[in-house]
Amino acid sequence: DAKTTQPNSMESNEEEPVHLPCNHSTISGTDYIHWYRQLPSQGPEYVIHGLTSNVNNRMASLAIAEDRKSSTLILHRATLRDAAVYYCILRDGGNYGGSQGNLIFGKGTKLSVKP
Amino acid sequence: NAGVTQTPKFQVLKTGQSMTLQCAQDMNHNSMYWYRQDPGMGLRLIYYSASEGTTDKGEVPNGYNVSRLNKREFSLRLESAAPSQTSVYFCASSEQRSSYEQYFGPGTRLTVT
Repeated sequence: DAKTTQPNSMESNEEEPVHLPCNHSTISGTDYIHWYRQLPSQGPEYVIHGLTSNVNNRMASLAIAEDRKSSTLILHRATLRDAAVYYCILRDGGNYGGSQGNLIFGKGTKLSVKP
Repeated sequence: NAGVTQTPKFQVLKTGQSMTLQCAQDMNHNSMYWYRQDPGMGLRLIYYSASEGTTDKGEVPNGYNVSRLNKREFSLRLESAAPSQTSVYFCASSEQRSSYEQYFGPGTRLTVT
């Protein structure tokens, strides 16, 4: 069963910031929040991950709510190349045995970027 | 580095035929994975190999077999293809099973008629 909820689709204008939301109300204390994206006709690629604190890297920022029941992936300036499906995934960081260590991909959010 | 490579890129099979999808990584990763992606859906894990010499079932293993040939290579075999196995297949690797980042190949688009 999917443990995260994301909007099916979002639109953005080029060079504007994009905030992609993810709800995970049943998150456990050891669940890490991962974001992957999949460009058209390609395999997924890792974007960012976090546990409790906000995180920044060269691709994006991850803002995690204080109660950890939701998070937001922030693309600071969307480009046409950012048009992709974005997946928010929970993964148990305390146990990688069996199915608990698997990445479970839902349907994600399809981001369209307009020039 | 080529990263994760998969062959073939495209394949059409008739029902009942068999084939093997090949995957190789040049990043010296311990763990490798096979996923399938159906239209409009997210990826589903078929099998994984946490380390050389081990393989384990994922979410949808029925109809598939895998071989971890060596540290670099992880193959997926369809013994008797069915139309329900029409999908895009992705191979991935990670440094360890616990690593937060998996690296994905470009995919193999398989059609079973």
